[in-house]
Amino acid sequence: AQKITQTQPGMFVQEKEAVTLDCTYDTSDQSYGLFWYKQPSSGEMIFLIYQGSYDEQNATEGRYSLNFQKARKSANLVISASQLGDSAMYFCAIQLYYGNNRLAFGKGNQVVVIP
Amino acid sequence: EAGVAQSPRYKIIEKRQSVAFWCNPISGHATLYWYQQILGQGPKLLIQFQNNGVVDDSQLPKDRFSAERLKGVDSTLKIQPAKLEDSAVYLCASSSRKTGGQETQYFGPGTRLLVL
Repeated sequence: AQKITQTQPGMFVQEKEAVTLDCTYDTSDQSYGLFWYKQPSSGEMIFLIYQGSYDEQNATEGRYSLNFQKARKSANLVISASQLGDSAMYFCAIQLYYGNNRLAFGKGNQVVVIP
Repeated sequence: EAGVAQSPRYKIIEKRQSVAFWCNPISGHATLYWYQQILGQGPKLLIQFQNNGVVDDSQLPKDRFSAERLKGVDSTLKIQPAKLEDSAVYLCASSSRKTGGQETQYFGPGTRLLVL
């Protein structure tokens, strides 16, 4: 079964600074995707960024980038130029390409952006 | 494009009562998911539908939980009878299923359930 590990304690980050959120995963499959979602206090899970296991380049979406190190089974999220609205829980998830496409989530990273 | 709709947003019930949640997915999305998110944890899949058929319900506590998606569009998740440990956020998600490759799931706002 797939497993995601997110073990960082809650993080405080100064507005306009960058923050890196750690995510390691475990799977024996070769074909999979890695996702990051943001969950503000309102509760909705917001899709941020995706990285496929065969993608050679790191994914980027605006201020979000994914530092993908396949050999280390690591998929860290980098948020550049933090904004107050970035305060939220951030979840890493893995999805196998074949099968039922279930998302397996980690426990999340709490980020608080301070002015 | 309208997102995933869920109702109610909040529900408080006493243990042993029953409760139902409703979800309307993004238009055209064939796959619908129900997740349970207990405080301090990531979401856990309860059940997955492809159109109106069940793809995966291996983690659904079938003695008390049931779900249906009769016409392949909106879905209802029911708990009967509720237990204290069912207190959680229930998230509905939908996607356009592909055969192999990326399938981004889009989530609704969730229903926060408190069982007293």
